[in-house]
Amino acid sequence: DTGVSQNPRHKITKRGQNVTFRCDPISEHNRLYWYRQTLGQGPEFLTYFQNEAQLEKSRLLSDRFSAERPKGSFSTLEIQRTEQGDSAMYLCASSLASSGNQPQHFGDGTRLSIL
Amino acid sequence: DQQVKQNSPSLSVQEGRISILNCDYTNSMFDYFLWYKKYPAEGPTFLISISSIKDKNEDGRFTVFLNKSAKHLSLHIVPSQPGDSAVYFCAASAGGNQFYFGTGTSLTVIP
Repeated sequence: DTGVSQNPRHKITKRGQNVTFRCDPISEHNRLYWYRQTLGQGPEFLTYFQNEAQLEKSRLLSDRFSAERPKGSFSTLEIQRTEQGDSAMYLCASSLASSGNQPQHFGDGTRLSIL
Repeated sequence: DQQVKQNSPSLSVQEGRISILNCDYTNSMFDYFLWYKKYPAEGPTFLISISSIKDKNEDGRFTVFLNKSAKHLSLHIVPSQPGDSAVYFCAASAGGNQFYFGTGTSLTVIP
């Protein structure tokens, strides 16, 4: 079990640029989640996939945000035309969907800083 | 619309004593509850969970209690150790899809 891996760990970019983050889930996990966390807050749900299907999206996910999980393994989260308010920690989590409830396991996140 | 609330931003406890962290929720459809622990510069680490069909779940020094009528859950850590110092988040889900997190409680265990 290598855990959930996120890259890069830190991204600094100028306002208006596009950024892309990658998440590699635990290998046997079929569910993958993206969250955003700002200072003093808990993780806020953005979207989740079951295998390659994106099943739910939060209203927080504006049209500048897009997430993909093309082969049901790794996922990417892209933010276009970044804004100051996009500065946050972006967390990825994975879990195994089964007949019972299963906990999510998180990566260490990508910290996005918009200059 | 904060469906999961942790009203205590911080808590300090002496080493060896009990730490009690509290969490309240508003959605009666929540059926799965979790506690996560977070160190600086790391992602949240799963600690313990409880299904709504139970009122208590224990794992070593950690016990989670669920009071469905009060929409309240708590995490008990006993005995508390300095390594337990971290931010603790409670989370809840209805059906295991979208998870809602509280704002966290920063626990400091004083040696």
